[in-house]
This record gives sequence, structure tokens and C-alpha cells, in this order.
Amino acid sequence: QQQVKQSPQSLIVQKGGISIINCAYENTAFDYFPWYQQFPGKGPALLIAIRPDVSEKKEGRFTISFNKSAKQFSLHIMDSQPGDSATYFCAASPGNTGKLIFGQGTTLQVKP
Amino acid sequence: DAGVTQSPTHLIKTRGQQVTLRCSPISGHKSVSWYQQVLGQGPQFIFQYYEKEERGRGNFPDRFSARQFPNYSSELNVNALLLGDSALYLCASSLVLYNEQFFGPGTRLTVL
Repeated sequence: QQQVKQSPQSLIVQKGGISIINCAYENTAFDYFPWYQQFPGKGPALLIAIRPDVSEKKEGRFTISFNKSAKQFSLHIMDSQPGDSATYFCAASPGNTGKLIFGQGTTLQVKP
Repeated sequence: DAGVTQSPTHLIKTRGQQVTLRCSPISGHKSVSWYQQVLGQGPQFIFQYYEKEERGRGNFPDRFSARQFPNYSSELNVNALLLGDSALYLCASSLVLYNEQFFGPGTRLTVL
């Protein structure tokens, strides 16, 4: 019940295309859902985050869509660029804790 | 502004040895969390500290311990190292307990 399931494991997108990564959870106590981007040899960098009181949040080319009833959330990267090639992790945090539970990661490759 | 800093960058130890990893949070941040990231997987929560008190512990053996100092920096100690402890150890800081977490570059620990 503490798991966050992420898909796909890997993704190849053409430059300018839309990258979509999905995550699903079971624990209804989760109330904070961030996405992180990680380059090889680096720590994860916070991209964008959402709480369950909104269904969508957009920051630049990055959008989180959140479906509370389905217990799913997704990251959309619009106009994908080769510099977006990295591993992306979704995460979730139970209410009243600072603990982040991460998905398994998606390796994104954006082809020029 | 300086981000989260961690030292050392890399570390090589042998089985049975002990290791201490260090983390300095972003200035003004009072909470520090530790995560273990095995190659190809998402980070796994180890500990969270806030105002020098342990506020969360993940599913790790008692060989793992941590503490937070009055200046909010933190140390993670691992005793009796096993080969399976080889991983990237990440420190994340947040302003308060339930806020956004910002990760450092990590310490790469190799156990031979």
C-alpha cells in the first residue's frame, strides 16, 4: 500500500514531441505528489509538485495531471528537447510526514 | 544561494567497516532527510530529522543511524558495511517538516 508504480520504464520521444509518464498509488493518505528529474551522477532535482485539491498544475513546459478518484497522476513534458533526456521519478508523501516514496523511474531519451 | 552540500563525493570501504556521511542543508532549512539510491532504482527513505529530533525512519537495519546538529547539518552513519550497502546516499533539506525537499548531489559509497 506504500508503493508508487511508475510507467513506462523507458521512453523515446522525438524533439518537439510530448513526453508522458504515469504513476499510480494505493494509499489514500498520500497528499503531496512531486516529480523529480535526475541526470547521471547528480541528485534528483525538484521539477513540479501537486496536492490533491487541484487536478492540474502547469509550470513552463511541465504539467502534472492528477486524478484523485483513479489514484493516478502523470507528468507531461511539452515540446520535449534533447536536454530533457534524463531519468524522471514520481513520488508521494503521506500526510503529516516528510517521507517521500519514489516510483522506479522512467528513462527519457529525446532524439534530435 | 548554495544548495544542499554533501561530503565526501565518493567513498570506497571494505565489508565490516564503518562510514560517516555528512550533509549541510540549504541555509534556513531546518529539516534533513536521508535516502539510499541503488543503481537503477528510485531513492529509498532512511531517516528524517527536524529541529535535531528524529521524525521518521524507513525500513533499514539498526546498522544505520543519523543525527542532526544545532546548525541543522546532519551525519549518516552505517556500521558493519555489507556489499549491498553500495549505493548513492542522498541528503535532502526542506524549510520545515512537510515542505518541498531539495536534494544534494549525493555520496557514492562502494563497499568491496
